[in-house]
Amino acid sequence: KAGVTQTPRYLIKTRGQQVTLSCSPISGHRSVSWYQQTPGQGLQFLFEYFSETQRNKGNFPGRFSGRQFSNSRSEMNVSTLELGDSALYLCASSLDVGAGGLYEQYFGPGTRLTVT
Amino acid sequence: AQSVAQPEDQVNVAEGNPLTVKCTYSVSGNPYLFWYVQYPNRGLQFLLKYITGDNLVKGSYGFEAEFNKSQTSFHLKKPSALVSDSALYFCAVRDDAGNNRKLIWGLGTSLAVNP
Repeated sequence: KAGVTQTPRYLIKTRGQQVTLSCSPISGHRSVSWYQQTPGQGLQFLFEYFSETQRNKGNFPGRFSGRQFSNSRSEMNVSTLELGDSALYLCASSLDVGAGGLYEQYFGPGTRLTVT
Repeated sequence: AQSVAQPEDQVNVAEGNPLTVKCTYSVSGNPYLFWYVQYPNRGLQFLLKYITGDNLVKGSYGFEAEFNKSQTSFHLKKPSALVSDSALYFCAVRDDAGNNRKLIWGLGTSLAVNP
């Protein structure tokens, strides 16, 4: 089975711009979660999508948004980029992490976003 | 609030020696605990999980973890470390607060195994 893929792998953007990141989950996985990873804050949960619906949400401002398509692929968007948004953005898929936490998450390699 | 602490930023161990990476947690209710590993320039990989049952959980690559309810700990262990085990290790706990279910992560422990 192919793993979780994320595109692009690297991005450089300017403050004020917006960016869209893409994630393709493992085939058959309907839950997709997004995380922001920074050296100082570790992994911070952004949101989780399941069957095209946002099911869980972390404590990020409204500039961070996402969506999931019928084929379970997911995108996240960050508008009005700030320097502090520079981070590794990780996508993870699972059979269903929400239902009972019994299914482990499978992570993609991440998208490294640099905001200048 | 649910939380996870990894008290050591870095652990150094000689190849062939046993290793321990520490994790403590705070949850209300039954804890669901996980360990993940991150190799350089790669995503996180699942190692093992504790849901219920035996306190000693065995996982991938020869790793195991011991759940200790009285000490609220879930330490990761391996009897004999390999240089290839050098990586960043994360402990996580499932947060079931309200209807917003998610994983809460520790800040990670960098493991360096010296040849």
